[in-house]
Amino acid sequence: AQSVSQHNHHVILSEAASLELGCNYSYGGTVNLFWYVQYPGQHLQLLLKYFSGDPLVKGIKGFEAEFIKSKFSFNLRKPSVQWSDTAEYFCAVGRGNAGNMLTFGGGTRLMVKP
Amino acid sequence: GAVVSQHPSRVICKSGTSVKIECRSLDFQATTMFWYRQFPKQSLMLMATSNEGSKATYEQGVEKDKFLINHASLTLSTLTVTSAHPEDSSFYICSARDGKTYEQYFGPGTRLTVT
Repeated sequence: AQSVSQHNHHVILSEAASLELGCNYSYGGTVNLFWYVQYPGQHLQLLLKYFSGDPLVKGIKGFEAEFIKSKFSFNLRKPSVQWSDTAEYFCAVGRGNAGNMLTFGGGTRLMVKP
Repeated sequence: GAVVSQHPSRVICKSGTSVKIECRSLDFQATTMFWYRQFPKQSLMLMATSNEGSKATYEQGVEKDKFLINHASLTLSTLTVTSAHPEDSSFYICSARDGKTYEQYFGPGTRLTVT
């Protein structure tokens, strides 16, 4: 069975600080990895995804994530956060056709102080 | 961008009654839709996969007779919570997979409260 762990439940940063959110997964098969963001009062939006190829994936809004197979990790990074990045971030592992059947991590609430 | 809607956004029902939640893909055809459940301060958990024109596939531990799923068209899937109980109170979120691009889009969710 798949599982996804996000180690940071709550993160508070000041604007312009660098961000790294941890994500570790366990899954025996080919992994499809995702990061989603949920802004307050809004639906889940895809930040980025990894299926294959370059393990460093660039997403929207300046986010990137690195797939490290040996560490079973897919950490999310942003060099300089903004107040508008305040949201909840979910890491997910996908299975099934096109990797759409998602197992989510517990989420990380990020608060960016202006 | 692609839009997925859910209706209603909030619903309160009495214990023992049934409630239907709709999930629609507004500008694309969704051959597959997914239903998730999110408890307060917890993550989303996949309940079932809904394929157009066929029976839904339920995740382990999800009662198929309690959570009835119908995916009668390429733009609509419904989740019916039958004989609802207070423990069914939760946030139900659907997602739809675009049949052409295989991209997945999430709906805004439906908050169900069973009294």
